[in-house]
Amino acid sequence: GESVGLHLPTLSVQEGDNSIINCAYSNSASDYFIWYKQESGKGPQFIIDIRSNMDKRQGQRVTVLLNKTVKHLSLQIAATQPGDSAVYFCAESGNQGGKLIFGQGTELSVKP
Amino acid sequence: EPEVTQTPSHQVTQMGQEVILRCVPISNHLYFYWYRQILGQKVEFLVSFYNNEISEKSEIFDDQFSVERPDGSNFTLKIRSTKLEDSAMYFCAIRQATEKLFFGSGTQLSVL
Repeated sequence: GESVGLHLPTLSVQEGDNSIINCAYSNSASDYFIWYKQESGKGPQFIIDIRSNMDKRQGQRVTVLLNKTVKHLSLQIAATQPGDSAVYFCAESGNQGGKLIFGQGTELSVKP
Repeated sequence: EPEVTQTPSHQVTQMGQEVILRCVPISNHLYFYWYRQILGQKVEFLVSFYNNEISEKSEIFDDQFSVERPDGSNFTLKIRSTKLEDSAMYFCAIRQATEKLFFGSGTQLSVL
């Protein structure tokens, strides 16, 4: 069945280091992937997305990598800052209705 | 980024009571969604709404739930007879031409 999950529930990094958050998905029909950041008490906030015809996409300080062979998605955050502390969710979609299926989430903690 | 306003931010109700959660997208959108997030868990899809009707719903969205756009602007989620397990954060989301979903800040529903 469809499922999206994360390898690690928590990640602690030092300020200034790079962070890598991983995600595995099982639906090979998924063609769109997206990362959200959720701060405490707030709704998910869009970070970056990628379509299945790409394997890498870069934004400002963030990069998403997609490996369709092993159904793996990752989010890389460069020079992690205290403001990056949040829960990060990957989500995937594979139908016209645009329903997103979310993974469990990884809590990123940035130490000063 | 499109603005999505949700009211109320917090709702406390007694078990068995009806609640209506409201979402006000600022501009016209094609798709509307409701998601929920039980404390500490992932974001779960409830229902998608397109062209004034439900386009897809999850197993969670049973007969106790309903959605509508009563005045062409507000998008509401009604729970007819709340249960303890309905306690969660409920998020409205909207989508335009791309697959990106933009989320509101949520309504925290507490059923006592």
